[in-house]
Amino acid sequence: DAGITQSPRHKVTETGTPVTLRCHQTENHRYMYWYRQDPGHGLRLIHYSYGVKDTDKGEVSDGYSVSRSKTEDFLLTLESATSSQTSVYFCAISDRGAHATGELFFGEGSRLTVL
Amino acid sequence: DQQVKQNSPSLSVQEGRISILNCDYTNSMFDYFLWYKKYPAEGPTFLISISSIKDKNEDGRFTVFLNKSAKHLSLHIVPSQPGDSAVYFCAASGTDKLIFGTGTRLQVFP
Repeated sequence: DAGITQSPRHKVTETGTPVTLRCHQTENHRYMYWYRQDPGHGLRLIHYSYGVKDTDKGEVSDGYSVSRSKTEDFLLTLESATSSQTSVYFCAISDRGAHATGELFFGEGSRLTVL
Repeated sequence: DQQVKQNSPSLSVQEGRISILNCDYTNSMFDYFLWYKKYPAEGPTFLISISSIKDKNEDGRFTVFLNKSAKHLSLHIVPSQPGDSAVYFCAASGTDKLIFGTGTRLQVFP
């Protein structure tokens, strides 16, 4: 299995509070992604990174920011959490990128509940 | 605008029979198509892929078919086993993103 660790795995927070989810990889892969999974929507791309300090927006980036200061870490931040951001968040990594083969390795997910 | 669509949210199949999962896409620029499998409380795992220059790819019990003119792909599982019960996502790759469908929940019963 690819070495991907997401933390925290579960979090309950209140509307308006900041939240940071962390994705840590030990594979030295260049590309990292954050997805959210919601019923009826499948997996939707939030942000992705194609190298240290290089990031770009996905399909549903509003309300989220990311940072990647090291190859191994990709942080997803909700500056002011809203109930619509209640979801399961998945981090994924790839050595050649989704545009090459599309094969991503996923973490186990972080379940976030915003009350 | 859903670029990748799975119109069947669920499918129930008897063990030993064929499971056929379908997926439609709208963007003709996609060049790789993939299927991922997801068990509860786990991350999705890659199952099988196909390049846009092919129309079939087979891996054991799993075969993916691509019909570019119809912008349609399908996953065949033969024979279906209870351990195949999971949510299956199709995905399409273009530029630098992977776009997923909404998923189909497959249940294989004895």
